[in-house]
Amino acid sequence: NAGVTQTPKFRVLKTGQSMTLLCAQDMNHEYMYWYRQDPGMGLRLIHYSVGEGTTAKGEVPDGYNVSRLKKQNFLLGLESAAPSQTSVYFCASSYGGPLQYFGAGTRLSVL
Amino acid sequence: DAKTTQPPSMDCAEGRAANLPCNHSTISGNEYVYWYRQIHSQGPQYIIHGLKNNETNEMASLIITEDRKSSTLILPHATLRDTAVYYCIVRPAYSGAGSYQLTFGKGTKLSVIP
Repeated sequence: NAGVTQTPKFRVLKTGQSMTLLCAQDMNHEYMYWYRQDPGMGLRLIHYSVGEGTTAKGEVPDGYNVSRLKKQNFLLGLESAAPSQTSVYFCASSYGGPLQYFGAGTRLSVL
Repeated sequence: DAKTTQPPSMDCAEGRAANLPCNHSTISGNEYVYWYRQIHSQGPQYIIHGLKNNETNEMASLIITEDRKSSTLILPHATLRDTAVYYCIVRPAYSGAGSYQLTFGKGTKLSVIP
C-alpha cells in the first residue's frame, strides 16, 4: 500500500518550459489536492478535485492547470514555467474532509 | 474556521513526554481539532483528531478541555524522529461539498534533545 505517490521528486526547469507533475493514490479517495509550500510559509491550495473528471480552483491557481481523468491520478501542469513557481509541491488525497494524506513532495526550481 | 494559537517552539528531552498546547477559543460546536506534523522536507502527516472526548492512537494522545477552547497533543515518549513542526487545525469534519483546504499556520517547532 503506497498511499500517495508523487513523481518526479526533483526537477529543474528553465523559464518558459513546461512540465507535468503526477500524483497517484491507491486509497480509492474521491478528493485530491495540489498545494505549494514556499520557504518558511504554510501550504497554499492550487487546485483540487472532488471526483474523477472534476477540478476546481484553489487559493493560488494562476499559471497552473490540472486534470483528473482517472480517479487515482491527479496531474498538475505548468505550461510556461516562471521563477515565481519555484516551490515544493505537495499532493494530498482524502475521502472528504480535513483528514488528508500527503505525498512526499516535488521540489521544483525554475531558473 | 476557528483560529488557533500555538507556541512557536518547544524543546523536549528524548524519552520524555512532549505536551504541545493549542488554543482555539472560538471553536464551533461542529468543529473538530486535527493535528498534523511536518518533518523537515517531508509532506505533512496526519496524527490524530477529536471532537470533545480524549483520543489516543499509536502515535499520540489528544486531550481536549471540557469547554473545548484548548487542547494538548501528547507524544508519550518523544524520540529524535519526532522533531518536526506540529500544526493544530480546527475544521468541520465534513460539510458535504467544496474544498477542504487545510490552512497550516506557523505551528510549533518541536525539538527533541538527546
